[in-house]
Amino acid sequence: ELKVEQNPLFLSMQEGKNYTIYCNYSTTSDRLYWYRQDPGKSLESLFVLLSNGAVKQEGRLMASLDTKARLSTLHITAAVHDLSATYFCAVDGGAGSYQLTFGKGTKLSVIP
Amino acid sequence: DGGITQSPKYLFRKEGQNVTLSCEQNLNHDAMYWYRQDPGQGLRLIYYSQIVNDFQKGDIAEGYSVSREKKESFPLTVTSAQKNPTAFYLCASSIARASGYTFGSGTRLTVV
Repeated sequence: ELKVEQNPLFLSMQEGKNYTIYCNYSTTSDRLYWYRQDPGKSLESLFVLLSNGAVKQEGRLMASLDTKARLSTLHITAAVHDLSATYFCAVDGGAGSYQLTFGKGTKLSVIP
Repeated sequence: DGGITQSPKYLFRKEGQNVTLSCEQNLNHDAMYWYRQDPGQGLRLIYYSQIVNDFQKGDIAEGYSVSREKKESFPLTVTSAQKNPTAFYLCASSIARASGYTFGSGTRLTVV
């Protein structure tokens, strides 16, 4: 059974600071996805990481994937209030599987 | 514009009642999914379908039923057998592994 663990689950940080969210998963997979969810809203796709060593950046967010360590990170640089949201990572089950297994999410609050 | 439409946005169910949540996509995606989200939790897979007239149970299928008579549509019925249906329900679709999911805007179901 594929398990996906995120930490921390809650993160309160000051504007301008840097921080990293971690996503560990339990079985071999070379594809990992990051999503953002605002309160009461649906999920918005942030990054799709398709291979070992993949790194993608969008604004103040940068995601990376290490398939050997079964670890992805979402790094936040110089946080701003607009980044306050819940961030989910998700992993698919491998070749032939369409399903994604999600972590429990990291609720990020950026304080002015 | 292509996308996924879920309706209604809010739904209230009385005890012992069956209710149906609608999910329609015009993205020409083959696979469709239903997830349930509870407060502070990640997403849990209810059912998924990779092709028309075929669907598979996810991790929490008990008390739910689906149909896939058309590629564009994947309705979810919450039956009276589901004892704790109050949650946020998200429908998603995907064309293949590489693209990840596109999510609908969600339906918030409350038992009254």
